[in-house]
Amino acid sequence: SQKIEQNSEALNIQEGKTATLTCNYTNYSPAYLQWYRQDPGRGPVFLLLIRENEKEKRKERLKVTFDTTLKQSLFHITASQPADSATYLCALDTFRRGGGADGLTFGKGTHLIIQP
Amino acid sequence: DTEVTQTPKHLVMGMTNKKSLKCEQHMGHRAMYWYKQKAKKPPELMFVYSYEKLSINESVPSRFSPECPNSSLLNLHLHALQPEDSALYLCASSQEQARLAGGPGYEQYFGPGTRLTVT
Repeated sequence: SQKIEQNSEALNIQEGKTATLTCNYTNYSPAYLQWYRQDPGRGPVFLLLIRENEKEKRKERLKVTFDTTLKQSLFHITASQPADSATYLCALDTFRRGGGADGLTFGKGTHLIIQP
Repeated sequence: DTEVTQTPKHLVMGMTNKKSLKCEQHMGHRAMYWYKQKAKKPPELMFVYSYEKLSINESVPSRFSPECPNSSLLNLHLHALQPEDSALYLCASSQEQARLAGGPGYEQYFGPGTRLTVT
C-alpha cells in the first residue's frame, strides 16, 4: 500500500540555521508533491508545489527538492526564525485511474521548533 | 479573496442529533474537499466534489452525508455520530481537478475547520 513518511516527529533548530525536513514515499508515483504549514487549531496553509518533472522550487526562504528516483522530497527553510515554528506536512495527490479530482494524502508531519 | 470559511467554529452534539457543517469559497474553484483530522494526526481525505458532483468517497460511513448545493458551497450533514467521530473537520478548495484537466497540479486552500465533539 502507499506510504508517506516524514523523517521525524519533532525537529529543534537554532535560529538562523537552515531547517531541513524529509518526506519519503513508497508504492507510489505522484505527479506532484506539496508542502503545507499547519499551526495548532488551524487549517493547513499551502507553501510550495513541485511537479514530477521538476528538481527544485524556491520561494523566498523556502526551497523544496523532488527526487523521483529516491522517492524523496527535501524541504528547506533558510535563515530560520522562531515564527517558522509549526508543523510541516508533506502531501501527495491520490491519483485515481480513469481520472477524477484529486484529494491529498498527507504525511504525519514534522513539528519544527526554532529556538531563539 | 483567497479565503475558505467554515461554520460553525465549534460544535457539540449528542449521538442522536442531526447537524450540518458549512463551507464557502468565492475563488471560483471547481473542486472542494472534506478532510477529517484527529489530534496529532494528519488530515484524512473524506470526500471530493468536482464541478458540484461527488467525485471521491473514501469509504466514509453513511452517518456523514456531503452535499454541494452550488459551486461555492459545500455542506457535511451529520447524523447518529459516535464519540470517535470527534475531530477537526476541514474544508478545502482548489482551482480544478489536476489530473482530469491534465494540469500541473493545484494547491488546496483550507478553511479554519470546525471542531466537533460528539458526546
